[in-house]
Amino acid sequence: EVQLVESGGGLVQPGGSLRLSCAASGFTFSSYAMSWVRQAPGKGLEWVSSISGSGGATYYADSVKGRFTISRDNSKNTLYLQMNSLRADDTAVYYCATPQGRLLAAFEYWGQGTLVTVSS
Amino acid sequence: EIVMTQSPATLSVSPGERATLSCRASQSVSSNFAWYQQKPGQAPSLLIYGASTRATGIPARFSGSGSGTEFTLTISCLQSEDFAVYYCQQYDYWPPTFGGGAKVEIK
Repeated sequence: EVQLVESGGGLVQPGGSLRLSCAASGFTFSSYAMSWVRQAPGKGLEWVSSISGSGGATYYADSVKGRFTISRDNSKNTLYLQMNSLRADDTAVYYCATPQGRLLAAFEYWGQGTLVTVSS
Repeated sequence: EIVMTQSPATLSVSPGERATLSCRASQSVSSNFAWYQQKPGQAPSLLIYGASTRATGIPARFSGSGSGTEFTLTISCLQSEDFAVYYCQQYDYWPPTFGGGAKVEIK
């Protein structure tokens, strides 16, 4: 059974940093691309970033480019999102998700999400 | 980026009736299109991919159709567990983009 468990969310001041983690199990992690998708309170879904199985290819939404960094440790079956220079509009539940079979695809499996609140 | 527009924003339906949701893409996305269901306090779950293929475990009362710029999700004979918010998504071009969501509520 595929399981994705996010952690690392919390309250951070504007301009601060946070690192999210997503622990994966139930599949061959290194063979699959991974993504982060976020949802602001009461709002819709927004794709944030994706990374290939090897980690050699990364993609970012314009809204986070230059501030967020996606990475993965295939030896630990873990996905990361390093978030710097956080702003109030980064407040959201952050989900890790698995695209189906390739980098750009439907998101087949989702974690339960971790809440990031950016506020002073 | 490709803009996905869902309609209606809210649909009021009685249990046992049919619900039809629409999604329009600002340019053709071929059949690289998906539907998701999200219940309160839960993560989204994949319903349909490839515009018309049900994901694993999705009941046959959910069906998707369309290609290019116009897509439809039909839920025949609504069950109590189907009242939720539904999102469409294109994955033909970077960045992948979602529609704003459509809430199916009990009439």
